[in-house]
Amino acid sequence: DTGVSQDPRHKITKRGQNVTFRCDPISEHNRLYWYRQTLGQGPEFLTYFQNEAQLEKSRLLSDRFSAERPKGSFSTLEIQRTEQGDSAMYLCASSLSYSREGRNEQFFGPGTRLTVL
Amino acid sequence: AQKITQTQPGMFVQEKEAVTLDCTYDTSDPSYGLFWYKQPSSGEMIFLIYQGSYDQQNATEGRYSLNFQKARKSANLVISASQLGDSAMYFCAMREGTNYGQNFVFGPGTRLSVLP
Repeated sequence: DTGVSQDPRHKITKRGQNVTFRCDPISEHNRLYWYRQTLGQGPEFLTYFQNEAQLEKSRLLSDRFSAERPKGSFSTLEIQRTEQGDSAMYLCASSLSYSREGRNEQFFGPGTRLTVL
Repeated sequence: AQKITQTQPGMFVQEKEAVTLDCTYDTSDPSYGLFWYKQPSSGEMIFLIYQGSYDQQNATEGRYSLNFQKARKSANLVISASQLGDSAMYFCAMREGTNYGQNFVFGPGTRLSVLP
């Protein structure tokens, strides 16, 4: 399977616990994105990397959230001291930074569904 | 102000008929890209079609076409010959700026139900 993969697919945790999600992008893609999607809404941008550099962070990304992409390949998203409002689907996507047509469409993984009790 | 507006929370279409899903956008950037994604109940976002702001012709990808009206800032998705498997959430999205800028915004989505 050469698509974007995410692990775990589901995570249930208690409020106050820390959780970490992993995303493996398509191998030749140098850009990687994290989104959050709540029920009935479109995905909301959280952050993105080009190679190992984190180039942009949304205001949605509070200081309890941290993302890394240490070697420019897989990425992790950690949420510290989880709150019930963090319950959502966390989507990862990857893309090229340049395509001739300029579209650089993002390819999404299946997501990690987080439930905070 | 909403960057992407999708005014149809839900749409129904009879199998084999065409359907149009509306999308309007708001940007002052002359360079932008518009995307449509499909999200079936399994949850994975599937890229359907892309339209660049400088593209002269409407994009087409198989049964999908994009009715791009730049002056009206609309980018409606047309699905021809609907199939039962087209039942899903559909999201319109916009990327502003050049390849270097990645401000990527999704609309609230339209749920399409294809009736047999």
